[in-house]
Amino acid sequence: SQTIHQWPATLVQPVGSPLSLECTVEGTSNPNLYWYRQAAGRGLQLLFYSIGIDQISSEVPQNLSASRPQDRQFILSSKKLLLSDSGFYLCAWSVDSGIFTYNEQFFGPGTRLTVL
Amino acid sequence: AQSVTQPDIHITVSEGASLELRCNYSYGATPYLFWYVQSPGQGLQLLLKYFSGDTLVQGIKGFEAEFKRSQSSFNLRKPSVHWSDAAEYFCAVGPYTGTASKLTFGTGTRLQVTL
Repeated sequence: SQTIHQWPATLVQPVGSPLSLECTVEGTSNPNLYWYRQAAGRGLQLLFYSIGIDQISSEVPQNLSASRPQDRQFILSSKKLLLSDSGFYLCAWSVDSGIFTYNEQFFGPGTRLTVL
Repeated sequence: AQSVTQPDIHITVSEGASLELRCNYSYGATPYLFWYVQSPGQGLQLLLKYFSGDTLVQGIKGFEAEFKRSQSSFNLRKPSVHWSDAAEYFCAVGPYTGTASKLTFGTGTRLQVTL
C-alpha cells in the first residue's frame, strides 16, 4: 500500500530564517506531487505541483519554492521566511495515469509552521 | 477560474441527527468533485468523489453526496451523525489540466456534535 510522510511535524522559525519541508511517498512510482498551504479560516491553497523529477509548476507567486530531486521526494523551501508564511503545509500525491485521466489526491499528515 | 463555496462556516448537530453540508461550485465544464474530512492537526482523508455517472455517490463512514448540475451543488449528507464525525469538512473541485489533477478547495465547514 502507499504511504506519504512529511517532516517535521511542527516547526517554529524566526523571521528571515530559511525553510526546508520534506515529503516522501512510498509504494508507488512516478506520482504527481502537490504542496498546499492551509491558513486559518481560508481553506487550502495549492502552492506547487509536480508531474516528474525537476518538473515543478507554481500556482501562486510567493516567497516559497519547491524542488523534486527524486521521483518520490518533494521539498518545499524558502530562503527567508516571512510572518505570512505561517500555516499548515500539506503534501499530497496522486497517481499519474497520463493525459485525460483524473485521479484523486491523498494527503500527508502535514507540517505546522509558525514564524515568529 | 473554478471556485468552491461552502456557505456554512460552523454547524452544530446532536448525535443521531441527520446532517447536510452544503457545497456550491463554479466551473465551466463537467467537474470532478470531492469531499474531504480533516480532524484537528491532521491531514485530509477522502470521504467520497464524483467523476461521472450516478449523481448520488456513496462514501466511507456512512456519508453520501448528490451532484446536482442544475444547482451547481454537491451537498454532503449523513442520516445519523456520530460524535466521532466532529471535524472539518472540505469540498473541492478538480479541474482537469491535461497533466495534473489539481484541486480547488472551499473554506471548510466545522462540524460540532453534541451528545
